Amino acid sequence: GNSVTQMEGPVTLSEEAFLTINCTYTATGYPSLFWYVQYPGEGLQLLLKATKADDKGSNKGFEATYRKETTSFHLEKGSVQVSDSAVYFCALKGSSNTGKLIFGQGTTLQVKP
Amino acid sequence: NAGVTQTPKFHILKTGQSMTLQCAQDMNHGYMSWYRQDPGMGLRLIYYSAAAGTTDKEVPNGYNVSRLNTEDFPLRLVSAAPSQTSVYLCASSYGRDSNQPQHFGDGTRLSIL
Repeated sequence: GNSVTQMEGPVTLSEEAFLTINCTYTATGYPSLFWYVQYPGEGLQLLLKATKADDKGSNKGFEATYRKETTSFHLEKGSVQVSDSAVYFCALKGSSNTGKLIFGQGTTLQVKP
Repeated sequence: NAGVTQTPKFHILKTGQSMTLQCAQDMNHGYMSWYRQDPGMGLRLIYYSAAAGTTDKEVPNGYNVSRLNTEDFPLRLVSAAPSQTSVYLCASSYGRDSNQPQHFGDGTRLSIL
């Protein structure tokens, strides 16, 4: 079945450091890929998405490229801020069109000033 | 525009008690779903509804769901068990396809003693 694996956290960085959170997936067909972010005490918010191979999703300085050859969708940001501290979830929606999202286990990011 | 509203935010139940978690959205979304969020497990789908009046999969043991109208999607714990201690997140979207992002509520944190 479909699955998503994220790098384990927590990830602790200093402000303005470069961020990478790894995400790999297993899926049949052509899934769509998402990154969601959860700030403390809040629900999940869609951060970015990519619906086909080689697409690059971007938002708020974050980027991720859909790599079908490596089944990956790594999240990157060139310079993190304290306000980026949150839990980040990688997710996929399979091509079976049930609408079901499959989530990774989440990666906690803490950015220190 | 309230988006997806969940109530209550926190609740404590005793084993065997019943309770209904409320979820409402004001975006006229057809597709709604419930996830549970547990540490190190990411989010796991409990149930989804593609439209008012429809049921799309077998409801897992211990839960009961209904979708009488477009706006509301309550989740009922019939006889609470400690294994159901979790954060419950409700989500909605226009439809099932990959281009429709899911909007999440802030969650209900439920503890069962």
